Amino acid sequence: QQQVKQSPQSLIVQKGGIPIINCAYENTAFDYFPWYQQFPGKGPALLIAIRPDVSEKKEGRFTISFNKSAKQFSLHIMDSQPGDSATYFCAPALNDYKLSFGAGTTVTVRA
Amino acid sequence: ETGVTQTPRHLVMGMTNKKSLKCEQHLGHNAMYWYKQSAKKPLELMFVYNFKEQTENNSVPSRFSPECPNSSHLFLHLHTLQPEDSALYLCASSPRTFQETQYFGPGTRLLVL
Repeated sequence: QQQVKQSPQSLIVQKGGIPIINCAYENTAFDYFPWYQQFPGKGPALLIAIRPDVSEKKEGRFTISFNKSAKQFSLHIMDSQPGDSATYFCAPALNDYKLSFGAGTTVTVRA
Repeated sequence: ETGVTQTPRHLVMGMTNKKSLKCEQHLGHNAMYWYKQSAKKPLELMFVYNFKEQTENNSVPSRFSPECPNSSHLFLHLHTLQPEDSALYLCASSPRTFQETQYFGPGTRLLVL
């Protein structure tokens, strides 16, 4: 059941810093690797995602790095802002839709 | 932001009560999902519906009974729940299954006494 391990559980950075969140998985059948962002009182929202044939993807200030051989992928938030303070989940998926969520990382960006 | 709505937002029920959670999506999607988010476990997929047909039941106890009368509405009927069922229940939708992006509602916070 513990297919996905996310770390750290929480982290605090100063504005402009680069929080990095890691996700390790066991199931080599996962075919889609998204990160979701959740604000208090809201449901998770897709932030960025990557396919296993690509090693890195950037969308705005968010970057995913993917290491297939190590079965890990990570989220980097460049030039972090207080508005990025949220909980982030990795959720590797089978057949694109069957998401397996990590435990979540609470990121706090201090002004 | 308001593409997926859930009601009620908060619910308190006793173990002998029967209640229902409602989810409605305004996105024209054909797949809908129920998830459970509890303090002690990661977000868990419970049920998947595609074109009103249930395609996935992730070993959910029978005290949770889903219903999908059409592609826009999804219900979760609750009866004889246990305190450990207290959690945030999230609904999501996607254009179809085998489609990456799922859009989540805000959830119903359930407390079972």
